[in-house]
Amino acid sequence: GDQVEQSPSALSLHEGTGSALRCNFTTTMRAVQWFRKNSRGSLINLFYLASGTKENGRLKSAFDSKERYSTLHIRDAQLEDSGTYFCAALTSGGNYKPTFGKGTSLVVHP
Amino acid sequence: GALVYQYPRRTICKSGTSMRMECQAVGFQATSVAWYRQSPQKTFELIALSTVNSAIKYEQNFTQEKFPISHPNLSFSSMTVLNAYLEDRGLYLCGARDGHPYAEQFFGPGTRLTVL
Repeated sequence: GDQVEQSPSALSLHEGTGSALRCNFTTTMRAVQWFRKNSRGSLINLFYLASGTKENGRLKSAFDSKERYSTLHIRDAQLEDSGTYFCAALTSGGNYKPTFGKGTSLVVHP
Repeated sequence: GALVYQYPRRTICKSGTSMRMECQAVGFQATSVAWYRQSPQKTFELIALSTVNSAIKYEQNFTQEKFPISHPNLSFSSMTVLNAYLEDRGLYLCGARDGHPYAEQFFGPGTRLTVL
């Protein structure tokens, strides 16, 4: 089965509101990255975490390796936040395979 | 900063022909390069993981005979799709990171392959 389960698959937000994306892992992961796919299709690095939390502007991410999850919180959503968000996790134990979630399609409405 | 370039960005090939795509890392040493394919309606499938001076590890359903990869130095990698067919179409992404096994990965914009 999938090692990375990302939810929700789709999310609709009104401008100024917020929500959280989540990735659950079926095994212990060593690190996690969050990306946003821009209008050109490029993956933009948002966060890289080996543990704890990081914040950047209106985005905040957390990673708990022991509890096997990571979250991406968006607050005060803006129209330009629309896009597809992915998490990707690195397995531990010497097998450094980066595995992606299936993505969350976010649409921010006026 | 760390950047990854991929070219071509888009390509079209006839069924049964081959297509080579390239990945260039700038601003860091691409010790490890992962090639992915994002097929329509699917997430990113890992094709293979290449580490300089080590053997290339292919995932199940992907083989060296079909997707030969070259990773000759710390800034460049290429992958060829041999004998391409419809099921090979999609966006091919290159993700590179430096020597630390769990280092942050940087992605190129991808090569979109269309097979006619």
